[in-house]
Amino acid sequence: DQQVKQNSPSLSVQEGRISILNCDYTNSMFDYFLWYKKYPAEGPTFLISISSIKDKNEDGRFTVFLNKSAKHLSLHIVPSQPGDSAVYFCAASVVFGTDKLIFGTGTRLQVFP
Amino acid sequence: DSGVTQTPKHLITATGQRVTLRCSPRSGDLSVYWYQQSLDQGLQFLIQYYNGEERAKGNILERFSAQQFPDLHSELNLSSLELGDSALYFCASSVRPTSDEQFFGPGTRLTVL
Repeated sequence: DQQVKQNSPSLSVQEGRISILNCDYTNSMFDYFLWYKKYPAEGPTFLISISSIKDKNEDGRFTVFLNKSAKHLSLHIVPSQPGDSAVYFCAASVVFGTDKLIFGTGTRLQVFP
Repeated sequence: DSGVTQTPKHLITATGQRVTLRCSPRSGDLSVYWYQQSLDQGLQFLIQYYNGEERAKGNILERFSAQQFPDLHSELNLSSLELGDSALYFCASSVRPTSDEQFFGPGTRLTVL
């Protein structure tokens, strides 16, 4: 049972344009969401998070939007840069719950010049 | 560099064998998490320890076990290895036991022949 889904395995975007990565979840108990970025041969690194009490969180070029009614979150990267090329994982958890982070399967973003 | 170290980087072994993967968390982090990433899969949570005690369990096989030692480093033991156990195994750590930002190590790539 995949509770966190990233339906697009890959995304290709031109440098300078917006990248939009999507994530859907099924468990309505999730109240904390995170995005991680992973380069080859490295572990995932934390990028940005959002609590369910918010619908938007911004950090520089990265913005995460949360639509609780649709059980959907998205990561916007503006403007996209070649160094953003990586695999992006969304993850969800129940704060003060079971302490597990449930990860999606990832979306490989390629930013080309 | 996340501050989380994992050894070894690569491990090649045969079916039926037993291996031990080691993780040292960031200085000051009490929680350690283990994840498995198989080909084209997301990160599957295996198990979490907090200050030496098991705190949460995920889809960890009975052939697998883990522990966290008094110096807070952790070991993941995989026994009776099967071909399907070939994967990247990541360790992550965090300060608190709740699943907010986790810092990942570079992973151990296990190949079972």
